[in-house]
Formats: sequence, C-alpha cells, structure tokens
Amino acid sequence: AQSVTQLDSQVPVFEEAPVELRCNYSSSVSVYLFWYVQYPNQGLQLLLKYLSGSTLVESINGFEAEFNKSQTSFHLRKPSVHISDTAEYFCAVSSGNTPLVFGKGTRLSVIA
Amino acid sequence: DAGITQSPRYKITETGRQVTLMCHQTWSHSYMFWYRQDLGHGLRLIYYSAAADITDKGEVPDGYVVSRSKTENFPLTLESATRSQTSVYFCASSPRGLKETQYFGPGTRLLVL
Repeated sequence: AQSVTQLDSQVPVFEEAPVELRCNYSSSVSVYLFWYVQYPNQGLQLLLKYLSGSTLVESINGFEAEFNKSQTSFHLRKPSVHISDTAEYFCAVSSGNTPLVFGKGTRLSVIA
Repeated sequence: DAGITQSPRYKITETGRQVTLMCHQTWSHSYMFWYRQDLGHGLRLIYYSAAADITDKGEVPDGYVVSRSKTENFPLTLESATRSQTSVYFCASSPRGLKETQYFGPGTRLLVL
C-alpha cells in the first residue's frame, strides 16, 4: 500500500522568506501526486498536482513542486511567503486505482 | 449554491447514540469520499463510493455505515457513537476517478461525550 511521509509537522518562517515543505512517498510503478491546502476552519482545496509530463508543476499563487522519481519526493516550495500562506499543507499520493493516501500534514506559520 | 455541502456543521452527542452526517454535491460527480481528520493522523479515509449503490471501505471503516442511493448524496452513519469517534469529518467528491482532484466540503465537527 502507498504511504506518504511529511517530514516536518510544523514550519515557522518569516514573511518574504523562502520555504520548502517536504514530502516523500513509497515507491510504485506510477503515481499521481497532489498538494492540498487547508486554511483555518475550512475544508481542503487543491494547490497543485502532478499526473504526468513536466516534473515541475506550479500553482497560481506562486507555489511549485517537483516530482523526483529517483528520490520518491514531491517537495513544495515558494520563494517568498506571505502572511496569507499560513495554513496546513497536505501531500497525497494515488497509484490511480487506489484512493488517495494523505500525509499527516505540515502546519506552515508565516511570521510578520 | 452549487458545490458540496455538509450538515450539520457541529454536533454534540452521547456515547451509544446513532448519528448521521449528511453530504450533498451538486456537480453530479461520480466519486464521493468520507474522511476523518485527527491531530497527528492527518486525513484518513473511512469509506468511498464510485457511483450510486457502489461503496467500498477505506482505511478506518469500523463503526461507520454509508449508503448512496442517489448520486448527489452520501450520508455517513455512526451506528453507536464512541468517544474515539470525536473528530472532524470531511466529505469530498471527484468527477470520474481516483486520480482526479477531490473537492472538499467545509467539514462537520463531532464531539461524542
């Protein structure tokens, strides 16, 4: 069965600083990878996803993630964070014929 | 409003009582899912459904029952609530398959006394 490890449960960072949220998954023949974001007291919403093609995927609000098959990773990065990026971020993986498996989440706190 | 809704948003009940959490989506999505979110565990799948009258167990199905008689509704029933079922429950839907984007409801916060 697939598994996802988010290596950091909490990440504090100063506003305008860069951030990386780490995600590793268990190996499979083919995988589909997702990052979801949860703002306080809300449901999850998709941030970005990798299905195939270019290994670098971007979101509309400046986040990007790179699929690295050899390292089985899908780390999320942003070069300059804003206060409004404060949220919990979940990495998730599916092999296509099994439901999504979520990591335990990383709480990003942006400090002014 | 179109989208995915959950009711109630907040519920307090007692151990042993039956509780039903409702989920309704207006997109005619084929797939629907129920998750629970607990501190330290992230999201864990309880049950999911690929279409009306088709349901399947997820990672933590014990103590829960689901049904899907209509495409748009996917109720989750706790037959005899226990304190360990205190959690935040999220419903989600996706258009066609398991690798599609999932769209989440706002959640139901359940407290079992």
